[in-house]
Amino acid sequence: DTAVSQTPKYLVTQMGNDKSIKCEQNLGHDTMYWYKQDSKKFLKIMFSYNNKELIINETVPNRFSPKSPDKAHLNLHINSLELGDSAVYFCASSQVADRTYEQYFGPGTRLTVT
Amino acid sequence: GNSVTQMEGPVTLSEEAFLTINCTYTATGYPSLFWYVQYPGEGLQLLLKATKADDKGSNKGFEATYRKETTSFHLEKGSVQVSDSAVYFCALSDTGYSTLTFGKGTMLLVSP
Repeated sequence: DTAVSQTPKYLVTQMGNDKSIKCEQNLGHDTMYWYKQDSKKFLKIMFSYNNKELIINETVPNRFSPKSPDKAHLNLHINSLELGDSAVYFCASSQVADRTYEQYFGPGTRLTVT
Repeated sequence: GNSVTQMEGPVTLSEEAFLTINCTYTATGYPSLFWYVQYPGEGLQLLLKATKADDKGSNKGFEATYRKETTSFHLEKGSVQVSDSAVYFCALSDTGYSTLTFGKGTMLLVSP
């Protein structure tokens, strides 16, 4: 059983399109995250949701809109895609209530905008 | 704010060599410290962690000790294998909702 899964694994699209990435975790965790990894491998937090509520939004353009329908799912919708959005997007989850602070990552979605 | 500084790579070693990847951090509170590993084409896997000063995290032959006095969390392994070739990320998590702050990653290349 995959703990944190993401779909799709690869996404190639043109500038100006709208796309979504889905994430699901079966660990029973209370907090989920989206990270962006750029071409130099640098990882940066984008969003954090705790029990379906947005907790952290780190200066991400409002073309990015996360949605958490329930505690096990966190989706990322991107409007009007730009070349600079090309990156690998990772979903992660953790059980903040346990104060262990370990995060479990999905396999990533490689987004290429042409 | 929080920050993590790692030595730049790539680090190139022969099999069975000793590995050290340096990591220092800046944090306002008392963070938990982590090493994550990313194998080619894969997501990040937690390698080891330490939650308080002087704790030693260890896993798969890798070790790191939380040094509060030097704000460091260096990763070591006594004898690397070709299969250890990957990108290694040092990270910290402060209190609150445990968002991770990552270093820039260090690529390790091990040759037979």
